Amino acid sequence: NAGVMQNPRHLVRRRGQEARLRCSPMKGHSHVYWYRQLPEEGLKFMVYLQKENIIDESGMPKERFSAEFPKEGPSILRIQQVVRGDSAAYFCASSPPSGGPPDTQYFGPGTRLTVL
Amino acid sequence: AQSVTQLGSHVSVSEGALVLLRCNYSSSVPPYLFWYVQYPNQGLQLLLKYTTGATLVKGINGFEAEFKKSETSFHLTKPSAHMSDAAEYFCAVSKGTGANSKLTFGKGITLSVRP
Repeated sequence: NAGVMQNPRHLVRRRGQEARLRCSPMKGHSHVYWYRQLPEEGLKFMVYLQKENIIDESGMPKERFSAEFPKEGPSILRIQQVVRGDSAAYFCASSPPSGGPPDTQYFGPGTRLTVL
Repeated sequence: AQSVTQLGSHVSVSEGALVLLRCNYSSSVPPYLFWYVQYPNQGLQLLLKYTTGATLVKGINGFEAEFKKSETSFHLTKPSAHMSDAAEYFCAVSKGTGANSKLTFGKGITLSVRP
């Protein structure tokens, strides 16, 4: 069973460009989470999605950031008009449909975004 | 609101020595607690988790942690460190399932193991 896949692994953008980060959850998983890891900091929650629904976006910056998880295809985290402060590692995690105690979130290898 | 405190940013131990990584949490509801490990340039891997039941939880690679409600702690231990344990370790808390399932992480602790 393949793990959580993220691509690209490394992404370089110039200020003002758009960044699109993709996440394919593990097979059978319908929940996706996005976290951001800034240098010297722990991971910060951004958004939690189920298929075609945003469940919790309390950690998303109000502007320039958006996320989707369509019925078909990967989840996408989109950052418009990137700035240097967006440089970070972005991790996606997936979990199966919840039916009891919290399920483990399985993390992908991350996308390291560098904004020049 | 939930929070996780991991005191110190770096712990160094000798190979074969006890590993103790501290984690304290605050939560308005009974917490669910996790320890993850991150190797350089990789994603996070679950070491162990506490949801309900037995407060001493055993995980992979010989690690274990004990949930102590009275101390609001969930410290991670391993009796004998191995060189391959060198990594960054994150403690995390969540409120539960569904809309409460997001993880709140501590800042992480880097573990170094000396030969």
